[in-house]
Amino acid sequence: QLQVQVSGPGLVRPSQTLYLTCTVSGGSISSGGHYWSWIRQHPGKGLEWIGYIFYTGSTNSNPSLKGRVSIDVDTSKNQLSLLLTSVTAADTAIYYCARDSSSGWFQDYWGQGTLVTVSS
Amino acid sequence: EIVLTQSPGTLSLSPGERATLSCRASQSVSSNYLAWYQQKPGQAPRLLIYGASNRATGIPDRFSGGGSGTDFTLTISRLDPEDFAMYFCQQYHSSPRTFGQGTKVEV
Repeated sequence: QLQVQVSGPGLVRPSQTLYLTCTVSGGSISSGGHYWSWIRQHPGKGLEWIGYIFYTGSTNSNPSLKGRVSIDVDTSKNQLSLLLTSVTAADTAIYYCARDSSSGWFQDYWGQGTLVTVSS
Repeated sequence: EIVLTQSPGTLSLSPGERATLSCRASQSVSSNYLAWYQQKPGQAPRLLIYGASNRATGIPDRFSGGGSGTDFTLTISRLDPEDFAMYFCQQYHSSPRTFGQGTKVEV
């Protein structure tokens, strides 16, 4: 059974860098031809795709985040990571890690997500 | 980017009734690369439908998706008490992938 767990600080100060890791168990991050996505949800709002990564390191991110996003993968640890720089209150959200299906760029497995609050 | 507009914002129905949710795209979603997700409070979204009309693994057949181009629908033929939740559509045809703002199905 695939499990996806996001971990990281729940509170980040404005202008600082948010760093989250996503640990995958029950399956290899580098098998099956799957991309892995980061998605966030502002409190009580809709969903926003942040970016994705393939196990080879190939990535793509949402232009709306204006180059503040970096996504990395560590296949030896079966982990991916998200780095978001220069955070503001607008980055307060639940951050999800999810697997893209091998049938297309939709998400067939989601981790539980973690709430990150940006506040001084 | 492709903007998805879902309607209605809230759908008030009773168990056993039929629910029809709409998702309209600002431009054509080629190859029907549209998905639907269900989200309950405090939970992550769950994939229901992909490719506009294909049910994901384990999804009951009371859920069906349809449409093409810019207009898509999610239909729940007979609402079960566990179906009262938020529903989001997503296009994955072009980058950035985008989601609709959601439809809440409530009792």
